[in-house]
Amino acid sequence: AQTVTQSQPEMSVQEAETVTLSCTYDTSESDYYLFWYKQPPSRQMILVIRQEAYKQQNATENRFSVNFQKAAKSFSLKISDSQLGDAAMYFCAYPSGNTPLVFGKGTRLSVIA
Amino acid sequence: DAGVTQSPTHLIKTRGQQVTLRCSPISGHKSVSWYQQVLGQGPQFIFQYYEKEERGRGNFPDRFSARQFPNYSSELNVNALLLGDSALYLCASSLGLAGAANTDTQYFGPGTRLTVL
Repeated sequence: AQTVTQSQPEMSVQEAETVTLSCTYDTSESDYYLFWYKQPPSRQMILVIRQEAYKQQNATENRFSVNFQKAAKSFSLKISDSQLGDAAMYFCAYPSGNTPLVFGKGTRLSVIA
Repeated sequence: DAGVTQSPTHLIKTRGQQVTLRCSPISGHKSVSWYQQVLGQGPQFIFQYYEKEERGRGNFPDRFSARQFPNYSSELNVNALLLGDSALYLCASSLGLAGAANTDTQYFGPGTRLTVL
């Protein structure tokens, strides 16, 4: 079975500091995409960042960047200059076969003022 | 442009009843997928529809069914509701078929919170 493991159920970060959320996955696909989604208390799942596995360069979107290690099947999310609005559940996910997205269990991020 | 919309926002049903959830995709998107998110877990894939045809199904019982209309909106039906069906139901849309062989990104609606008593 295809799986996504997020080993940190909860994380906290001071405002303006940097935090890294971990994700490992297990896929037999040779080419694939990886995603981080954010789910604030409003429940809406929001796309944070996307990485194409065939690209060696790590994706970046403003304060969000990834550390993609294909051989290790690791896909961590780094949030720089953390803001109060970053507080949310963060989910790592990837498509597998006919399944559009397989999600991890999520990491709850708290931002401390 | 409007994002993915879902209705209703909240729903309370009793065991054994039937429920219909609705989803309208982003304009121009032809694929709609449904996910179930139980409290404290990540979303689980239920169905994907593309061009009005079922193109993928997750590990859910036959009590769950869906369809897609010519305007690409979709309905998810759940029959004979069980307490365990209580969850947030998320709809996501993409331009084309989403999956391992495709590049399209899914965008999510705000969800429907279903409570089964």
